Amino acid sequence: AQSVTQLGSHVSVSEGALVLLRCNYSSSVPPYLFWYVQYPNQGLQLLLKYTSAATLVKGINGFEAEFKKSETSFHLTKPSAHMSDAAEYFCAVTLGNNFNKFYFGSGTKLNVKP
Amino acid sequence: DTGVSQDPRHKITKRGQNVTFRCDPISEHNRLYWYRQTLGQGPEFLTYFQNEAQLEKSRLLSDRFSAERPKGSFSTLEIQRTEQGDSAMYLCASSLTDYGYTFGSGTRLTVV
Repeated sequence: AQSVTQLGSHVSVSEGALVLLRCNYSSSVPPYLFWYVQYPNQGLQLLLKYTSAATLVKGINGFEAEFKKSETSFHLTKPSAHMSDAAEYFCAVTLGNNFNKFYFGSGTKLNVKP
Repeated sequence: DTGVSQDPRHKITKRGQNVTFRCDPISEHNRLYWYRQTLGQGPEFLTYFQNEAQLEKSRLLSDRFSAERPKGSFSTLEIQRTEQGDSAMYLCASSLTDYGYTFGSGTRLTVV
C-alpha cells in the first residue's frame, strides 16, 4: 500500500530563515514522489518531482528535495524563506510508473513571519 | 489554452439536491482525474479517465456519484441527493505524460 505522512500540520519560519517541510512515504514498489503547493482557493501547483533519477531534485521558486530511500523520506527545503512562500504544501506518492493515482499527505501550512 | 478550467468555482446547494460540475482539461491531455479535498486534508483520488474510458474509480465514489467524459474532452462530475458530508473542494487535473498533473482551481461545494 502507498501512503504519505507529513510531520507538522503548521510550520512557522522567519523571512530569510531555512524552510524544512517533512515528508515520509510508504510504498510497496519504487516510489515516484512529488511536492505540490496550494495557495488559498487555488488548485495545486507542482513544485518538484522525483522519478528515480537524481536523488536531489531542484524545483521552482528555489525549493529542493532529497530522496532518501534508507529513511523513506522526501523532505522539502529552501535556504531562505520569502513572504510569498506562505502557502500549504502537499507531498504525494504514486505507484512505480503507474501515474493513474496519487496519494497525498494531509499537508503542511507554512507561515512566514516578517 | 492556458490550463485546466473548472466550473463553477463555488456551489451552494440544499441537502438532497443534485449538482453537476464541469472540467475542461488542457486540450491535448488525454488523461483526466477527479479528486476531492476536505478541509485540512490532502486531495483524495476519486476517478481517472484515459480519453473517454473511465479506467479506475475509488470506493469513495459511491453510487450517488457519477463521472463522464464524452468524446474524451471535457468531463462532468454529478452528485445526486447531496449530503452535508459531500461539502468539499472538487479538483480536476489532466496530464499527457506520466509525470505530474496540471490541476484546475477547483469547485468548492457547500451543502446546507
